[in-house]
Order: sequence, then structure tokens, then C-alpha cells
Amino acid sequence: DVKVTQSSRYLVKRTGEKVFLECVQDMDHENMFWYRQDPGLGLRLIYFSYDVKMKEKGDIPEGYSVSREKKERFSLILESASTNQTSMYLCASSYRGQGGEKLFFGSGTQLSVL
Amino acid sequence: DQQVKQNSPSLSVQEGRISILNCDYTNSMFDYFLWYKKYPAEGPTFLISISSIKDKNEDGRFTVFLNKSAKHLSLHIVPSQPGDSAVYFCAASARPTSYDKVIFGPGTSLSVIP
Repeated sequence: DVKVTQSSRYLVKRTGEKVFLECVQDMDHENMFWYRQDPGLGLRLIYFSYDVKMKEKGDIPEGYSVSREKKERFSLILESASTNQTSMYLCASSYRGQGGEKLFFGSGTQLSVL
Repeated sequence: DQQVKQNSPSLSVQEGRISILNCDYTNSMFDYFLWYKKYPAEGPTFLISISSIKDKNEDGRFTVFLNKSAKHLSLHIVPSQPGDSAVYFCAASARPTSYDKVIFGPGTSLSVIP
């Protein structure tokens, strides 16, 4: 079974803190994605990566950065956390060339910024 | 501006009856459509997909219909079961560009009443 593991289930941070969200997948997938889920807005793409050290902005990249030093690991970084970044963060991965089918998601990290 | 829309935030259906979840999209470049299902405290899981060259795809109790001219798709669940109670996300992608980027709708919460 494909496994996408997010390091924390719940996280509480203070405004202005630097926050790291980690994601690891064990299926040798080329593509990795970070989404945030908010009520009424669905899943919105923050950043994605199609190869090691490669990254592309999604629809809402402002206030975020990412790092992909190894194929299996994709990190989301909040440089200076703000209250409007309180959200459920979901990591996903897929094989390249599958046209978006069968994204495999982690269980999510619920981040609260106080 | 949302490219994938699900205008019903919630839906209640009696067990054994048909559930119909609707989705509209605006981007005519989308050529692959997916439905994901999400239970609380879990990541979304892939349910069923359809390519733009088809107008129907069936998998057991789940059928997706695509009307390209109307830019509309729907997911039919027959018969509905209590275990189908979840949030359903419609999603779309445009191959081969955008490195398999997937755009999600806001979701519809389905409750199947025993």
C-alpha cells in the first residue's frame, strides 16, 4: 500500500514563528504536492514538485516556500506564520504522467496559528 | 475565481436511494476529471475518474457522467449506504501540461441516513 506520512497530526504555533511541515512518501513517486483545505474552498494547491530540487507555484503560494532535497520528502515552510494560515494542510504524491489521477494523500496536519 | 464548482455544500439521502453529486467547471482545457472521498481525520482517497473522451464511467455502485458541452459532471451512488457518508471532492486536470496539477472543488458533504 502506498503510504504518505505527514510528521504531525496537530500543530499549534505563534504568529511570526517559522513552521516546517514534513511529508514523506514510500512509493518512489516523482510528483509531490501541498494543499490546504478550508471550509467552502476545498483543496487549494500551494506548491508542487515534479522532481528533486524542482518546485512550481500552485494557486496560493504567498507566505509559503518548499524544499525537496530527496525524492521521497517534500517540506512546506511557513517563513513567518500568520493567523490566516490556520488550516488543514494535506500532502499528496503521484507518478509523473498520470494526468492527475490517483493522487495519494497523507492524513493531514491541522495547523493553528495563535 | 473557482475553476471547479460544487454548488451544494451538503446533501442528505436515505439509505438504499440514489445519491447524485454535481460538479461544474469553467476551464475548457480540463480533460480529465476525478472524484475523491474524504472521511474526517483522513486524507482524501481517489474514488473514480473519467476522461473527456468518454461520457460515462462506472465502477460498482459509483457512476460518473460527463457532459462536456455543459461543462458539467455528476457522481451517482446507487444504492447509497451509511458508509458512503463523507465529503466528496470533484477535481479536474489538463494534460499534458502543468505537471499533473489537479484543481479541486469545494466539496459536498453527503449524509446517508439509515
